[in-house]
Amino acid sequence: EAQVTQNPRYLITVTGKKLTVTCSQNMNHEYMSWYRQDPGLGLRQIYYSMNVEVTDKGDVPEGYKVSRKEKRNFPLILESPSPNQTSLYFCASTPTSSGTLNGYTFGSGTRLTVV
Amino acid sequence: GDSVTQMEGPVTLSEEAFLTINCTYTATGYPSLFWYVQYPGEGLQLLLKATKADDKGSNKGFEATYRKETTSFHLEKGSVQVSDSAVYFCALPSNCSGDKLTFGTGTRLAVRP
Repeated sequence: EAQVTQNPRYLITVTGKKLTVTCSQNMNHEYMSWYRQDPGLGLRQIYYSMNVEVTDKGDVPEGYKVSRKEKRNFPLILESPSPNQTSLYFCASTPTSSGTLNGYTFGSGTRLTVV
Repeated sequence: GDSVTQMEGPVTLSEEAFLTINCTYTATGYPSLFWYVQYPGEGLQLLLKATKADDKGSNKGFEATYRKETTSFHLEKGSVQVSDSAVYFCALPSNCSGDKLTFGTGTRLAVRP
């Protein structure tokens, strides 16, 4: 089944403790992206990657890192999480140059709470 | 820059009522337009799309028409069901960044039996 898989689904952590949210897709998509969803703000893009070893900042990149060493994986790293990063996170993918025509495939989301 | 404006929610309807969720956009040119749906506890799923002006996207009884004159892409359904309860997002590609999608703030729909 074609899908984007995120882990974990739920995570509660403490301020300053490094964490990684994994994202993997099995569709051979070039483009991958991370969004965060907050009430009243919709989805905002954190980082995106147009292919292996190519990443770039989205609208709200502060406090996050990403890497794209393999085509299928696009982990989101919070080096020192803070409470304002409590949010619902989504990974998404699409074939390059197709997102504007066909949209994205989304993962099921990771609900992160930083206390 | 490109942007999407959706009507504020929540929208509460009785089963079999008519649904309209408004979406207007600001964009350069005539991009594709999308509606996504997020059911409780799940990720976003593509509901329908329209790739050019005057196109009508449809799926699962939902429809939306791409109207360039009014820069709108309103979502409609003639008879909603309890199972349609979800959050609906309007989206369009950003002309600033390749495959980036810009989303509206989402509209929560609650359908009562």
